[in-house]
Amino acid sequence: GENVEQHPSTLSVQEGDSAVIKCTYSDSASNYFPWYKQELGKGPQLIIDIRSNVGEKKDQRIAVTLNKTAKHFSLHITETQPEDSAVYFCAASPNSGGSNYKLTFGKGTLLTVNP
Amino acid sequence: KAGVTQTPRYLIKTRGQQVTLSCSPISGHRSVSWYQQTPGQGLQFLFEYFSETQRNKGNFPGRFSGRQFSNSRSEMNVSTLELGDSALYLCASSFPGNEKLFFGSGTQLSVL
Repeated sequence: GENVEQHPSTLSVQEGDSAVIKCTYSDSASNYFPWYKQELGKGPQLIIDIRSNVGEKKDQRIAVTLNKTAKHFSLHITETQPEDSAVYFCAASPNSGGSNYKLTFGKGTLLTVNP
Repeated sequence: KAGVTQTPRYLIKTRGQQVTLSCSPISGHRSVSWYQQTPGQGLQFLFEYFSETQRNKGNFPGRFSGRQFSNSRSEMNVSTLELGDSALYLCASSFPGNEKLFFGSGTQLSVL
């Protein structure tokens, strides 16, 4: 089955700096890659996603890049703010008959943005 | 638009008991998935239901089961609870044909 590795496990940055989180996946059939943000006491919140036919996607301060050949994808957060502090999860899923509901998650990155 | 609603928010059970967790998806969403989250194993897929049918299943023992009703609401059941079943159980829903999953806040289950 799919295996997703995520690095680093913890990341501390100063407010205004950029943060980068990297993930690798093992199953070449995976073609959907979402990123989730989880704050304390809450469920994961989808912040951005990318499909395998796209190399990069951006939404304001957040961007995701995908390298299908190397089987890795990354989350980039620019101009970080204290409210960006949370645990971030990457995930991967194969398109099995139109259902992308079986996500395999990385172990998460605890991002701390220091004021 | 209301989000995914999970009840109860917290549960405390003892070993050997069984438990039922409930999930109401976002209105119009017909697929419901369940995930287990623990500090050691992270987020792991349990199963997914669509139109009252289990469509996908993760690698969990048969003590974990679920069902979906005609109104898309879902329940999951864990029988003969073990200490290792202590976890945050998350439900997620999705609109038909849309891969984006939206999670609820979860049910925190503690097994003593």
